[in-house]
Amino acid sequence: QVQLVQSGTEVKTPGSAVRVSCKASGGTFNNYAIIWVRQAPGQGLEWMGRVIPMLGLENYAQKFQGRLTIGADRSPNTAYMELRSLTSEDTALYYCARGGLDFRGYAPNWGQGTLVTVSS
Amino acid sequence: EIVLTQSPGTLSMSPGERATLSCRASQSVSGDFLAWYQQKPGQAPRLLIFETSTRATGIPDRFSGSGSGTDFTLTINRLEPEDFAVYFCQQYYRSPYTFGQGTKLEIK
Repeated sequence: QVQLVQSGTEVKTPGSAVRVSCKASGGTFNNYAIIWVRQAPGQGLEWMGRVIPMLGLENYAQKFQGRLTIGADRSPNTAYMELRSLTSEDTALYYCARGGLDFRGYAPNWGQGTLVTVSS
Repeated sequence: EIVLTQSPGTLSMSPGERATLSCRASQSVSGDFLAWYQQKPGQAPRLLIFETSTRATGIPDRFSGSGSGTDFTLTINRLEPEDFAVYFCQQYYRSPYTFGQGTKLEIK
């Protein structure tokens, strides 16, 4: 069973960028989609985007277009999410997830979440 | 984008009862590309159901999913104490792969 371990808590200032990593153990991201979802305090789940490195496929939610990059890192079995031009509305818990079989968009495997706080 | 509306917002039930959670889509979700997740406080979501009705690995058979088109249902038979949580539906038919706003299942 694959486990996803994310990097630690981040505190950022408005206008800066954050990069969160997600390392898979007991499995890889090969043949699967890499998905990122966020959850603002006390709120629901918000789908941010997914990439399928093997197919060179990317989909991002419109609200993040131009300031979000999701990808597979050079480190083995590691994915990342970079969000730029941060505002206080980006304060949230960010989750990485591995997609389902056949590159489907559901998520059987999740990381533990990384809290990103944006504050001046 | 496809908007998913879950109802009710909060469901108060007792252990042993059957819970029925609804998820309605603003457009047809073809291919039955709909999933359900359970989330408990301080935890990541857990996949329960995918492809509308297929249980994920390790999910007990008291959880079942059904529906098609724009109307989908998660049914939990014989509620156990550990089932009280927040439930989200997600469509992965068309990007962005949106989530519903969630249904909180609480103990009556």
